[in-house]
Amino acid sequence: SQQGEEDPQALSIQEGENATMNCSYKTSINNLQWYRQNSGRGLVHLILIRSNEREKHSGRLRVTLDTSKKSSSLLITASRAADTASYFCATDAGIGYALNFGKGTSLLVTP
Amino acid sequence: SQTIHQWPATLVQPVGSPLSLECTVEGTSNPNLYWYRQAAGRGLQLLFYSVGIGQISSEVPQNLSASRPQDRQFILSSKKLLLSDSGFYLCASGQGDTGELFFGEGSRLTVL
Repeated sequence: SQQGEEDPQALSIQEGENATMNCSYKTSINNLQWYRQNSGRGLVHLILIRSNEREKHSGRLRVTLDTSKKSSSLLITASRAADTASYFCATDAGIGYALNFGKGTSLLVTP
Repeated sequence: SQTIHQWPATLVQPVGSPLSLECTVEGTSNPNLYWYRQAAGRGLQLLFYSVGIGQISSEVPQNLSASRPQDRQFILSSKKLLLSDSGFYLCASGQGDTGELFFGEGSRLTVL
C-alpha cells in the first residue's frame, strides 16, 4: 500500500529558482526518505531523515520533517536543468524493511 | 555501495507467454531484495520481498512469482502473461539497518 503522497504532482520552474515538494504520510515512521528518478531509470536515494530529526541538509537539498503533522518537505535550492526528474518520498512499509512510495512529484527545470 | 544489475532492460511479450526478469546484486552480502512495479504516472507497488535464499514473501496476489536461488540473485517470473502485467519493474536491495534501498535501472515490459 502507498503511504506517502507528494504534492504537487507536477512542478515547473526556471533554472536558479528553488523547488519545494511536500509529502504527507498516514502512520508513525522511523524515518522518511527522498528518492529521485530520471525518466525511464531506477530510483536513486537522496536523503534520509529520522523521526527524531526536524531538518537535514545535503548540498543543495534541505529536508524538513514534522511528525506532528505527518509531513515532510524537500527543498532544492538554485535548481538546474539537470534536476529535472521525479521525486518520491518513502516511508517504512513495516515488512521486511521494504518502503512504501508515493506517486511522486514531477519536476521540470527549464534553462 | 551496492550495484544492482537488471536484465533485460526492455521486452515485448505476447499475452500468455512466459516471463523471466533477473536481478543480481554486487557489493554486499545477505541483502534484503525487492521487486517493485511502477505503472505509468504512478508510484511504486511492492510485489515481492526476500530476506534470504529461498525466502519469498508476496504482497500482492497476482500472476507473478519470485525466486531467490542464490544470495544475490532475485528472479521475477510468470507462466502466462496478462495485459495488466505491463509496466516498469524495478529490483531493489537493502540492508535493513540503514533503510536505504539501492535500485536497478529497471525492466520495461510491454504485453501485447
